This record gives sequence, structure tokens and C-alpha cells, in this order.
Amino acid sequence: GQNIDQPTEMTATEGAIVQINCTYQTSGFNGLFWYQQHAGEAPTFLSYNVLDGLEEKGRFSSFLSRSKGYSYLLLKELQMKDSASYLCAVMDSNYQLIWGAGTKLIIKP
Amino acid sequence: ETGVTQTPRHLVMGMTNKKSLKCEQHLGHNAMYWYKQSAKKPLELMFVYNFKEQTENNSVPSRFSPECPNSSHLFLHLHTLQPEDSALYLCASSQEIAGGNPYEQYFGPGTRLTVT
Repeated sequence: GQNIDQPTEMTATEGAIVQINCTYQTSGFNGLFWYQQHAGEAPTFLSYNVLDGLEEKGRFSSFLSRSKGYSYLLLKELQMKDSASYLCAVMDSNYQLIWGAGTKLIIKP
Repeated sequence: ETGVTQTPRHLVMGMTNKKSLKCEQHLGHNAMYWYKQSAKKPLELMFVYNFKEQTENNSVPSRFSPECPNSSHLFLHLHTLQPEDSALYLCASSQEIAGGNPYEQYFGPGTRLTVT
């Protein structure tokens, strides 16, 4: 079967760094997406990885290891507005997204 | 604003009611999606349309009926729902679904549905 695993909840301190992990087992792989979803709002696109390695975009970076079925999202210099759920999704062989249940990130002052 | 709008934002309906959810995208995309989001569960893909043709129906009960009259509009018709259908229903769009091109999806804010 297809499976995406990520922690349910994480807590971090304002100004710190946090890493949100995602492991996956899917039928086919056409890339991995990270989305951010604030409570009561639409998920918004953060990053896309299809090749191994690190993609950096400002305070956010995303890493992929296809051989290990593993990705992480790294958030630096955390701000209160980063409190949200972070969704990991893999695009399968049919170009459909398979989603994890999301990681709720709580930022404390 | 993501360029995808959904109405209504909140809906309470009885099990015998008939209602419809509406989604509109202003991005010039050709693929549209309906998802169900329940608390602490992964997004569940319900229906997919690519160039107005339905390409996916992931074993969704017949009490949910999609309609895609053109590439900009998507509806989800609801009838005789069950309390377990209470959830957030999200609409999304992407440029298209084409082999070799993993386009990102843009989401609307969702309709919070409560079935009583």
C-alpha cells in the first residue's frame, strides 16, 4: 500500500530551527511536495523536490533522499506566523498526490 | 488569495437535504480536484477533472456527485449525507495533468460541512 508518515505535532521556540521529517512508501515517484496550512485556511505550496539533495528558499529548506524514502522540511529563524500544519505529499506514478496527515507546528515565544 | 474560491465557506445540512458546493478558479488552469479533509487524517482525493473530463473517482459514495461544466468551475452535489461526511471539503486546481509534468496544486479555503 501507499503510506506517508510524519509526526503529528511539534513544538519549537521563536528564533530557533525546526526540522519536520516525512517518510514515504508509494507506487511510483514523481516528486515530493511540502505545503503549509494555517488553521481555517487553504494549504499553500512551499517546495517541490524530485532529485536528491537540499533545496533552499529563504528561511525554508527541503531535503530529499529517494533511496531512503525520506524528506525533511527545515525552518530557520522561526517566527510566530510559522505556527501552522505542514503537509508532506508524494506525487505517484499517475501524477496524483498522496498526502501525509500533516504536522502541527506550535511556536512558543 | 490563491486564485481559487469556494462557496459556501460553512454549511450545515440535515441527512435528507440536497445542497451543492461551488469552486471557481481564476488561474487559467485545466485540472480541478475535490478533496476531503478530516481532523488528523491525510487529505483524501475524491474526484479529478482534467480538461473537463473526469479522470479519477476514488471509490467515493454515490451521495457525492461532481460536475465540471468548464475548466474554471467545479461543483460537488450532496444528497442524503451521513454524519461521518462532516469534514472540510477542499477544491484545488493545477495547470493540467500530463505525464512528465508534476504541476503544483492551488487550493481554495474550503467548505466546512456539518451533517446533522
